[in-house]
Amino acid sequence: GIQVEQSPPDLILQEGANSTLRCNFSDSVNNLQWFHQNPWGQLINLFYIPSGTKQNGRLSATTVATERYSLLYISSSQTTDSGVYFCAVVGPGASGSRLTFGEGTQLTVNP
Amino acid sequence: AAGVIQSPRHLIKEKRETATLKCYPIPRHDTVYWYQQGPGQDPQFLISFYEKMQSDKGSIPDRFSAQQFSDYHSELNMSSLELGDSALYFCASSANGFGGGDQPQHFGDGTRLSIL
Repeated sequence: GIQVEQSPPDLILQEGANSTLRCNFSDSVNNLQWFHQNPWGQLINLFYIPSGTKQNGRLSATTVATERYSLLYISSSQTTDSGVYFCAVVGPGASGSRLTFGEGTQLTVNP
Repeated sequence: AAGVIQSPRHLIKEKRETATLKCYPIPRHDTVYWYQQGPGQDPQFLISFYEKMQSDKGSIPDRFSAQQFSDYHSELNMSSLELGDSALYFCASSANGFGGGDQPQHFGDGTRLSIL
C-alpha cells in the first residue's frame, strides 16, 4: 500500500514563530487531507488538498502531486495550535477510498 | 453545518464484554468509514460502506463486525473485548461514490473505548 512519511516528528516553538510541516507519499493520490488532532482527541479538518495551494487564515498548504509531497505552513503560531498534525492520503487502485495516515507531527507551542 | 455524530463519546467495558458504537453520517453522504486510533498512534482504517454495502476492509479483527442501515447510520459491533481494543474509534463520511476516493472525509469526534 501507499506509504506516508511526515517530518519532523516533533516540533517545539515559541508563540509567534512560523513553521513548515512536510508530508511525503510514495504513489499518486486521489485525496490528501491535513488534520489537527487537539488535546481532546478531535480530528479537525484543516485542508483537502490533492494538488495546488490553499490558505485559511494563518494556515496554508501546498501539494505538489508530481513530486509526491505536501507542505503545511503555520504562521504566527499560538498556544492553541499545539497538538498532532496528520497528513492522510487515498492511494490509487486497490486501496479503495481508505485514508492512510502518516505518523504525525507533534507540535508544542510555548507561551 | 451538520457534522458526523458518534455515540457514545466514552465507553468503559471489561474484558470479554461486547460494545456497540454508533455513527450518523452527514446527510446525503453515501460512504461511511471506521478508523481505530490506539494510544500514541495514527488512525488505522477498519472498514467502509458505500450505499449500505461493504466497500473496503482493513485490519479489522474477526471479533468486530459492522453494518450500515437503511437510514445510512452505521454501527461497529465489538465482541470478546480485549485490553488491546482500548482506543479512540472514529467514524467518517464522504460523498464519494463507490471507489471514488476523491472527496474529503469528514470525521466525527470519536468514541473513546476503555477496556478494564
